[in-house]
Amino acid sequence: DQQVKQNSPSLSVQEGRISILNCDYTNSMFDYFLWYKKYPAEGPTFLISISSIKDKNEDGRFTVFLNKSAKHLSLHIVPSQPGDSAVYFCAARSGGSNYKLTFGKGTLLTVNP
Amino acid sequence: DTEVTQTPKHLVMGMTNKKSLKCEQHMGHRAMYWYKQKAKKPPELMFVYSYEKLSINESVPSRFSPECPNSSLLNLHLHALQPEDSALYLCASSQDTGNVYYGYTFGSGTRLTVV
Repeated sequence: DQQVKQNSPSLSVQEGRISILNCDYTNSMFDYFLWYKKYPAEGPTFLISISSIKDKNEDGRFTVFLNKSAKHLSLHIVPSQPGDSAVYFCAARSGGSNYKLTFGKGTLLTVNP
Repeated sequence: DTEVTQTPKHLVMGMTNKKSLKCEQHMGHRAMYWYKQKAKKPPELMFVYSYEKLSINESVPSRFSPECPNSSLLNLHLHALQPEDSALYLCASSQDTGNVYYGYTFGSGTRLTVV
């Protein structure tokens, strides 16, 4: 049972435009959500996180929005740059005493010059 | 130092071999993790160490044996692996298991091939 879902395997945008990456989850016990970027042959790189008690967190070009009622979060990248081309993973942390991160399958973002 | 260093980067081993993967961080993080990632799949948690004690084992087969000799080092001992164990093995660390605001820091991984 996939608790973190990224339903778009790929996304293509023009340089300078906004990239919106989406993620849905099913487990109401998730208390933290994170976004990671991954280039081939490298480990995931942390981008931004959001607590389940917030609805927005912003860091430079990256903004994450959380809609708890819809169990949906999104990552906005503005403006998109060719160097942003990578696989983006959404991850959710289980709360309580059993802290673990569950990852979605990822979305391949391609930013065209 | 803001990195997690994993060695070796690539490893080919036979099904009867014994080998070890190493992970090192000097950020003062007290939580360390092993993840396994197959091609076109998300990373899957294997083990969590918190303050050098094993806190989570995700029902990983005993042919994988983790070890945390000190707060900076994490090893994964491999023995009698199967070809389906071929994958990218990722090590990660975080300040502690409770604080993930700044995320986990991942290493570049060890690409393991079992022949």
